[in-house]
Amino acid sequence: NAGVTQTPKFQVLKTGQSMTLQCAQDMNHEYMSWYRQDPGMGLRLIHYSVGAGITDQGEVPNGYNVSRSTTEDFPLRLLSAAPSQTSVYFCASSYLEGGEQFFGPGTRLTVL
Amino acid sequence: AQSVAQPEDQVNVAEGNPLTVKCTYSVSGNPYLFWYVQYPNRGLQFLLKYITGDNLVKGSYGFEAEFNKSQTSFHLKKPSALVSDSALYFCAVRDNTDKLIFGTGTRLQVFP
Repeated sequence: NAGVTQTPKFQVLKTGQSMTLQCAQDMNHEYMSWYRQDPGMGLRLIHYSVGAGITDQGEVPNGYNVSRSTTEDFPLRLLSAAPSQTSVYFCASSYLEGGEQFFGPGTRLTVL
Repeated sequence: AQSVAQPEDQVNVAEGNPLTVKCTYSVSGNPYLFWYVQYPNRGLQFLLKYITGDNLVKGSYGFEAEFNKSQTSFHLKKPSALVSDSALYFCAVRDNTDKLIFGTGTRLQVFP
């Protein structure tokens, strides 16, 4: 099993550009989530999904969209990138909501 | 408000000595508690969890954690530290909406 995979590993954007961060898991987990990690702030939940076709907002959803058309994939879209979105983004999945989460390797995003 | 606190930004310990990384929590109801470790440029890895039962929980890589309900603490411990244990450690608690709330992280530095 590959576990949770994320692409790209690194990305540099200009303010106003849009992009999609990809996330996939091969463990047949229903629950998937996106976090951002900023120095001194731990991990903050952006969006999450409890199954295909169902998504909801986390703690810091503004500026981001998600969709969940399949169990495996959970892409995160930045609509119009801002410097405040410079961060490391982690995708995670778990068998149950609130259970042990498996994390991807992360995407380091810089917005200029 | 539900929260988790890691009061130490960094913990320094000599190799071979015991280590403790502190975590306190505030949550309504029975707490579900987790510890994760993050090595440089990697995603978070699950170490251990407490749901119910024995207050001393054993996890990966020789780590254990002690749940103390009266002190609302869940400190991570290891009897003998290794240089390879140097990493960023996160405590997390499941809130009453089944989301994980992460602490801000504690950097553990083990010196030879």
